[in-house]
Amino acid sequence: RKEVEQDPGPFNVPEGATVAFNCTYSNSASQSFFWYRQDCRKEPKLLMSVYSSGNEDGRFTAQLNRASQYISLLIRDSKLSDSATYLCVVNPMDSSYKLIFGSGTRLLVRP
Amino acid sequence: GAVVSQHPSWVICKSGTSVKIECRSLDFQATTMFWYRQFPKQSLMLMATSNEGSKATYEQGVEKDKFLINHASLTLSTLTVTSAHPEDSSFYICSARDEGRVYEQYFGPGTRLTVT
Repeated sequence: RKEVEQDPGPFNVPEGATVAFNCTYSNSASQSFFWYRQDCRKEPKLLMSVYSSGNEDGRFTAQLNRASQYISLLIRDSKLSDSATYLCVVNPMDSSYKLIFGSGTRLLVRP
Repeated sequence: GAVVSQHPSWVICKSGTSVKIECRSLDFQATTMFWYRQFPKQSLMLMATSNEGSKATYEQGVEKDKFLINHASLTLSTLTVTSAHPEDSSFYICSARDEGRVYEQYFGPGTRLTVT
């Protein structure tokens, strides 16, 4: 089983749609969770950290369910510029601070 | 915000030659940097953790003698791909951990390596 699993998509949605991505992780001791965004042939950029209480940043909402080891990202009112690959990232909480990346979910927002 | 640079942004080299890639944290100190590799349509795979002043920690399956890592200062880590082969062609990305924001990493823009 992969440490971090995501639906690869692609999700093809119209502008203005609401879309949700899910992610599961295997290490129950993991403590830090993130969503990164990666555009084609570019480096990943931090979109938001995910906190236990859930958090929102504008049109983006992230949720964490520790019991189910499940993380989600909700994007409301999708824009064309949201088209990218969204990476679910987990820190396995060892001393190395390394990050484990999911394979990414590709989002295509069409006019 | 935290900025990480990489040089070169792309490089083409011949089989058998070595290529050095630099990763710099521009506005913060990073005792730990990370090197990733990404093949087309795949996610980032961690190759090694670079520790300032000590030996790098390599992930399973990554040859330490082929991918030489040096982290000589708090703002610079280098990755040298030795005796490069076409299968080493990939997108190499570094990241640096900001000591002040323990679990967040900032990524460099990546280096696209093509070995002919």
